[in-house]
Amino acid sequence: EAEVAQSPRYKITEKSQAVAFWCDPISGHATLYWYRQILGQGPELLVQFQDESVVDDSQLPKDRFSAERLKGVDSTLKIQPAELGDSAMYLCASSTGTGAYGYTFGSGTRLTVV
Amino acid sequence: KNEVEQSPQNLTAQEGEFITINCSYSVGISALHWLQQHPGGGIVSLFMLSSGKKKHGRLIATINIQEKHSSLHITASHPRDSAVYICAVRNYGGSQGNLIFGKGTKLSVKP
Repeated sequence: EAEVAQSPRYKITEKSQAVAFWCDPISGHATLYWYRQILGQGPELLVQFQDESVVDDSQLPKDRFSAERLKGVDSTLKIQPAELGDSAMYLCASSTGTGAYGYTFGSGTRLTVV
Repeated sequence: KNEVEQSPQNLTAQEGEFITINCSYSVGISALHWLQQHPGGGIVSLFMLSSGKKKHGRLIATINIQEKHSSLHITASHPRDSAVYICAVRNYGGSQGNLIFGKGTKLSVKP
């Protein structure tokens, strides 16, 4: 069964260091989402791509976070510099498009900033 | 007030019990998802609903669009059903396709 691949699975980094996460969506899924989930909360959208274009990054802290999906396939989310409050699960999801289409989530990257 | 509210927040059941988790939302939606998240974080999509009822094994999901309410039922619950169950809606307003998530219901099924 097709899946959304994410790496690394876990990441521990020191405050002020740079960290990057990678996501490879299901082949053919035009829409890719990055979510952040703080412990005990539901996921919140950071950025949404349609192919290689950003559709929504209104909740992305752009002073330290950046995201790209250069060829409209896989995507990278970067944090520089990392802060203690960035400790969370970072989830990637993809879908075929808008409307009543299914989502597929990756297994997530658990980030701990020390 | 959150746009997606789930109840209960925590639920403990004995193996074999029938379980119901509720979700209410306040926005117009194109679809509602029920998701399962195990410790360790990965999320699995259980159902996507836009009307009526769906069944998969011991899981049943229903939605009432007029009342803006959905329920997830688990029949003959088992300890392996222990997880966080999250309701999420895809709304018409805002970013197309983006999901709005509830905070989840943590289910623990005791043997």
